[in-house]
Amino acid sequence: KAGVTQTPRYLIKTRGQQVTLSCSPISGHRSVSWYQQTPGQGLQFLFEYFSETQRNKGNFPGRFSGRQFSNSRSEMNVSTLELGDSALYLCASSLAAGKGWGEQYFGPGTRLTVT
Amino acid sequence: TQLLEQSPQFLSIQEGENLTVYCNSSSVFSSLQWYRQEPGEGPVLLVTVVTGGEVKKLKRLTFQFGDARKDSSLHITAAQPGDTGLYLCAGHMDSNYQLIWGAGTKLIIKP
Repeated sequence: KAGVTQTPRYLIKTRGQQVTLSCSPISGHRSVSWYQQTPGQGLQFLFEYFSETQRNKGNFPGRFSGRQFSNSRSEMNVSTLELGDSALYLCASSLAAGKGWGEQYFGPGTRLTVT
Repeated sequence: TQLLEQSPQFLSIQEGENLTVYCNSSSVFSSLQWYRQEPGEGPVLLVTVVTGGEVKKLKRLTFQFGDARKDSSLHITAAQPGDTGLYLCAGHMDSNYQLIWGAGTKLIIKP
């Protein structure tokens, strides 16, 4: 069974630009979560989607948004990039259908560098 | 304030030594997961514990969930360089939908 895939793996953008990251979950997984990971802040939860609906959201500004498609693939978008947005962005999929406490299967991440 | 406190934050030991890392909270968790993350990769799930007092073994790794379900530990016997990585714990509370993450323990095993 194929794992979680994320594209692109690496990305360099300049301040003020926007970026879209893509995540394909494990087949059959309907929950997709996004995380930002930095050395200083650790793993920070961005949002979670289940069946095309945002089910939960972390404490990030509105510049961070996402969506999920009918095939469970998900995208996240960051507009008006800031230097502080440089991070590893991780996507995780889960079978979670109820309270959402399913085990997370992570992709390799997208390393975003903002200059 | 972290709901899940991991300690130590950093640990560097020689191959063959034993070690224990901790994941503590003042809150009760319905389940707790441990992950290992290697540089440049996403975290990989190692184990899930759900019952207070539960002990699970994965080769040289022993995971324990506290009786009160507020804490957990990971013990590694005869550590090997391949055990090097960032160890993260994450838990679910019945009162909170989100998966709560600890800040992680960075472990380096020197040959």
